Amino acid sequence: AQSVTQPDIHITVSEGASLELRCNYSYGATPYLFWYVQSPGQGLQLLLKYFSGDTLVQGIKGFEAEFKRSQSSFNLRKPSVHWSDAAEYFCAVGGVAESGGGADGLTFGKGTHLIIQP
Amino acid sequence: GAVVSQHPSRVICKSGTSVKIECRSLDFQATTMFWYRQFPKQSLMLMATSNEGSKATYEQGVEKDKFLINHASLTLSTLTVTSAHPEDSSFYICSITRGETQYFGPGTRLLVL
Repeated sequence: AQSVTQPDIHITVSEGASLELRCNYSYGATPYLFWYVQSPGQGLQLLLKYFSGDTLVQGIKGFEAEFKRSQSSFNLRKPSVHWSDAAEYFCAVGGVAESGGGADGLTFGKGTHLIIQP
Repeated sequence: GAVVSQHPSRVICKSGTSVKIECRSLDFQATTMFWYRQFPKQSLMLMATSNEGSKATYEQGVEKDKFLINHASLTLSTLTVTSAHPEDSSFYICSITRGETQYFGPGTRLLVL
């Protein structure tokens, strides 16, 4: 069965400092990996995704993530955080539906709550 | 990307009543939509896969007779919570698939009294 682990429930970072959010996954085949951000009471916004190719992927808002197959990890990074980055971040894994009809439902990690200190 | 809307954004109902939540794909014809549930301060859990013109596929542990899904067109899927109880109170989020990427609606917060 597939699973996603986000080991950090909360992370506090000073504004302007760098950020790394950890994500480890378990998946039986080549995974599709995603990072989503959720602000309070809001839906999820896609930050970036990895399907294949270059293992360092760039996303919106200055975020990037690196896929490391040997470590089953897909950590999210940002060189300098802004106060507006405070939110809940979810890592998710998915794949091709067994029926072959496109993408499968996603399995999410429990999320990391990012707090930005002034 | 893709734009997904949900209606209503929040609903309060009495225990024992049924509530219908709509999920619309505004700029893309979606043959597949997903329904997730998110309890407070927890992650999203996939409930079911909604396929246009066919029966939905439910995840293990999700009661199909309680959570009725209808995907009658390529732009609309509905989730009906039948005979709702307080434990059904949650944040329900739908998503559509465009290629390999899922795009999520803003969610519907259900409170059952």
